[in-house]
Order: sequence, then C-alpha cells, then structure tokens
Amino acid sequence: DVKVTQSSRYLVKRTGEKVFLECVQDMDHENMFWYRQDPGLGLRLIYFSYDVKMKEKGDIPEGYSVSREKKERFSLILESASTNQTSMYLCASSIGPRTEAFFGQGTRLTVV
Amino acid sequence: AQKVTQAQTEISVVEKEDVTLDCVYETRDTTYYLFWYKQPPSGELVFLIRRNSFDEQNEISGRYSWNFQKSTSSFNFTITASQVVDSAVYFCALSEEETSGSRLTFGEGTQLTVNP
Repeated sequence: DVKVTQSSRYLVKRTGEKVFLECVQDMDHENMFWYRQDPGLGLRLIYFSYDVKMKEKGDIPEGYSVSREKKERFSLILESASTNQTSMYLCASSIGPRTEAFFGQGTRLTVV
Repeated sequence: AQKVTQAQTEISVVEKEDVTLDCVYETRDTTYYLFWYKQPPSGELVFLIRRNSFDEQNEISGRYSWNFQKSTSSFNFTITASQVVDSAVYFCALSEEETSGSRLTFGEGTQLTVNP
C-alpha cells in the first residue's frame, strides 16, 4: 500500500516560531504537494514539487517555503508562524498528472 | 489557469434519497484529468475515481456514478440510495497534462450529510 506519512498529527506553536512540517512517501512518487484546508475554502495548494530540488509555487505560497532534498521527503517551512497560519495541512504524492494523489493523515497546526 | 468550482457548500438528504454533487472546471488544456475524493470525518482523503479528458463515458460503481460532459465542463457525481456512511466532504479535482505540469487543483468541497 502507498503510504504518505506526516510527522505530526497535532502541533501547537507560538507566533514567530520557525515551524517544520515533514512528509515522507514510500512509493517513489515524482510529485509531492502541500495543501492547507480551511472551512469553506477547500484544499488550497501551497507548493508542489515534481522532482528532487524542484518546486513550484501554488496558489498561496506567501509565508511558506519548501525543501525537497530527497525524493521521498517534502518539507513545509513556516518561516515565522502567524496566527492566520492556524490550519489543517495535508501532504500528498502522485506518480504524475495522470494519476491519483495519495494523502497523509494531515497535521492540525495551531499558532498561538 | 485551471480552476474547479463546487457551488454546493452543504447538502443534507434523508437516507435512501439520491443526491448529485456538482463540479465545474476550467482548463486551457486538451489533455486533463478529473478526480473525485471523499473525506470522511476521520480526515484522510480517499480517492474515488479518475477520468481523462478523452473518455466521456459515464461510469458506475455500485451506488456511485459519474457524469462527465465536456460541452458544459462538468463532472458530476451521483450517489444512489444514499446511506449514513456516505456522510463526508467530497472534493472534485483537476490535473492538466500540458500547461500546469503536475499541479493538482481542488474545488471547495461539498459537505454531504445523510440523515437516518
């Protein structure tokens, strides 16, 4: 079975902290994605990566950065966490545009 | 730019009713892929179906069916004889092969509640 694992299910961080959300997939997928999910707004794409060290901005990249040093791992970084970044963060991976994405269980981040 | 719209924010039905979830998309590509996902209360998104832009045949899987119409840029999802276990948030998504590479764009989601 494809497995996408996010490092934490719940996180509480303070305003101004640097926050790392980690995601690992075990299926050698080329593509990895970070979304945030907020009520009424659906899933909004923050960043995606189609290869190691390659990344592209999604629809809401401001305040975030990403890192993909190894194919299986895709990290989302909040450079200086703010309360408006309190949200559910979902990581996903896929082989390519033709195939379905597989999702992790999500990280619910609260910034206080 | 690719876009997916799910105009129905919430739908509430009584068990055994049929229900249709709407999805409208925008794309400049001739080759693209459409998806439906289910997000139950547990939170993890579950893949339901994939359809490519060259295959307009409707698909049926048990109580689920999908109606793809390129002429109206729609990919609607119908649940027949709904059950309480169908209660979830349903997302429609679009992936373009040419213009946007591997970007996968989701709609806003439709919260379906099936009451006993």
